[in-house]
Amino acid sequence: QITLKESGPTLVKPTQTLTLTCTFSGFSLSTGGVGVGWIRQPPGKALEWLALIYWDDDKRYSPSLKSRLTITKDTSKNQVVLTMTNIDSVDTATYYCAHKGGGSSKFDYWGQGTLVTVSS
Amino acid sequence: QSALTQPASVSGSPGQSITISCTGTSSDVGGYNYVSWYQQHPGKAPKLMIYDVSNRPSGVSNRFSGSKSGNTASLTISGLQAEDEADYYCSSYTSSGTWVFGGGTKLTVL
Repeated sequence: QITLKESGPTLVKPTQTLTLTCTFSGFSLSTGGVGVGWIRQPPGKALEWLALIYWDDDKRYSPSLKSRLTITKDTSKNQVVLTMTNIDSVDTATYYCAHKGGGSSKFDYWGQGTLVTVSS
Repeated sequence: QSALTQPASVSGSPGQSITISCTGTSSDVGGYNYVSWYQQHPGKAPKLMIYDVSNRPSGVSNRFSGSKSGNTASLTISGLQAEDEADYYCSSYTSSGTWVFGGGTKLTVL
């Protein structure tokens, strides 16, 4: 079955760079149409889509955060990494990674999420 | 891209039906049949309930249904149950090849 799990620091200082890793199983990021996306949710607020990487290394970013985000994949390790630069307190959120199946736009499997707090 | 517009809250009694709207633009909701709906209980990850406007994943109750008209998509829950009380989010693929979520709707079962 498909599972995803996010990992990374729980506390980050302002201006630092945040690096989050999504480790997945049950599917291959080499399969046509498949993608892994990142979505975040500040405490008590709505979901916000951040980025997605496709099986062919095509990358898509939220227009509002594009300058600060980098998404990469390591197919051999079944991992996707999201990097966010110049972190600020408004970036405090639970960060989720999710599977996007081929031939569809849906995020059908989600990780449990990881809470990242930005504070000095 | 702006977030899709959802009502902040809706409520209904057990057994009743409710509908949650999700309004976007011709560049997202109106332009593609790629609207999804997610249910989120407190402290939990979102769960896919509807995809491609009106399709239900395996295991999701047929009490949940989706539709779309123009730039507005809708999620209808019939035969409300206490366990349906949660936050609901719509999402759409966009003409930029990105995704956008709605602001979320809190469903209260009275």
